[in-house]
Amino acid sequence: DAKTTQPPSMDCAEGRAANLPCNHSTISGNEYVYWYRQIHSQGPQYIIHGLKNNETNEMASLIITEDRKSSTLILPHATLRDTAVYYCIVRVGNNQGGKLIFGQGTELSVKP
Amino acid sequence: GAGVSQTPSNKVTEKGKYVELRCDPISGHTALYWYRQSLGQGPEFLIYFQGTGAADDSGLPNDRFFAVRPEGSVSTLKIQRTERGDSAVYLCASSLGTSFGYGYTFGSGTRLTVV
Repeated sequence: DAKTTQPPSMDCAEGRAANLPCNHSTISGNEYVYWYRQIHSQGPQYIIHGLKNNETNEMASLIITEDRKSSTLILPHATLRDTAVYYCIVRVGNNQGGKLIFGQGTELSVKP
Repeated sequence: GAGVSQTPSNKVTEKGKYVELRCDPISGHTALYWYRQSLGQGPEFLIYFQGTGAADDSGLPNDRFFAVRPEGSVSTLKIQRTERGDSAVYLCASSLGTSFGYGYTFGSGTRLTVV
């Protein structure tokens, strides 16, 4: 079972920041948080991952709380092309192959 | 190639038939994963290869499903005696390795429809 909880859907205005929350209260000390997104009819696309420090790349920023029980993915200036299902995933430990267990995700709709 | 390639992109088969789905991972990627995605659901893990061997097949739903990766590159997912409930998008992903630093790259999937 997925170890994360996300809201099923969110709306965001084009050009504004999209803040997608994720709860992972049972995360273990060596488990990373990954974010992927899936645009309709495509395979999931890697966005970002982190362990305990905040991370930023060209796509997004990841803010992880100090207790690591929740995180927020931030798309700083959402565009219509960011409309997708966003998955927050706690990656299972290495002795299980590092497989990703997907939950239901958050369906983000960016509106003009 | 530049990405993970899956063929065919669409497959329609009759109930009871045998199907093979192919995945060409990114060159040099040692880890390969198969997932299945039903409508409105997140991808569901099926099996994972590290090199030629299946390191974790705990997600395969039953013994009608089997996957191989004989040379550590291309993989084939095989489904025997297909049932209507097998209809889904089958996704393949590859990764340089299995440690936490490596993300997956997914293909666009094969949409399987069993009629």
